[in-house]
Amino acid sequence: DTEVTQTPKHLVMGMTNKKSLKCEQHMGHRAMYWYKQKAKKPPELMFVYSYEKLSINESVPSRFSPECPNSSLLNLHLHALQPEDSALYLCASSQEARTDNYGYTFGSGTRLTVV
Amino acid sequence: GENVEQHPSTLSVQEGDSAVIKCTYSDSASNYFPWYKQELGKRPQLIIDIRSNVGEKKDQRIAVTLNKTAKHFSLHITETQPEDSAVYFCAASPSGYSTLTFGKGTMLLVSP
Repeated sequence: DTEVTQTPKHLVMGMTNKKSLKCEQHMGHRAMYWYKQKAKKPPELMFVYSYEKLSINESVPSRFSPECPNSSLLNLHLHALQPEDSALYLCASSQEARTDNYGYTFGSGTRLTVV
Repeated sequence: GENVEQHPSTLSVQEGDSAVIKCTYSDSASNYFPWYKQELGKRPQLIIDIRSNVGEKKDQRIAVTLNKTAKHFSLHITETQPEDSAVYFCAASPSGYSTLTFGKGTMLLVSP
C-alpha cells in the first residue's frame, strides 16, 4: 500500500460545529504532515508529527487541533472555524521528519467549506 | 526561513512547444527540490525532484536543472501536450528536514 488515505473527501460545517479530518497510511512512515491549501495558492505547512509526537506547529490557531493516535493515523480536529478556514486540507507522510527529504506523497485531501 | 520565488505565474504554449518554469530559493542549506503537478481539484503529484549534489536530472520529456551557486532551479518540459496543462509548484526542503516550502505556482496552458 503506497497511498495516503484521507476522509472525508468533502466536508461542510457550520462555525459552531466540531468535526474531524482523518488521514491514514500503512507504509511504515514515521512522519506525518498537515498542509492547508487555499484556492490558487500553494500548500502551506501546518503541523508535523514525528514518531507520533508533534514536532512542528507553524503558529496554527488553536481551533485546529492535531492528534496522532498511532503511527498510521493522523487526525485534525476542527472547532469554531471561520469561513476563511475553507480550503483543501492535505495530509502527507514520509519515512522520517528529521532527515534529508526523500519526498512524500500527498493524500487526496479534504475539501472543507465553513458556512 | 526558506523563501521560494517562482516565475512565471502563467505560461501559455502551443502543443509541441517547450515550457520552462524557474524558481529561486533563499536558504543555502536547502538540498532537495521537488516539482509537483496539480490538476484542478486534485492532489499535488510529484513529477520530478533533484538533490543539491546533482546539476541536472531528466525523466522522458521532463528535466530539472539546479544551479546551487545562484540558488535557482528550473523545470523543462519538451514536446508539451494538452494533458500537461495544470498548475506546477516548485518546492525546497532544508537539509535534515522533510518539510517543504512551495513557490506560488505556475499555471501551464497547452493549446492543441
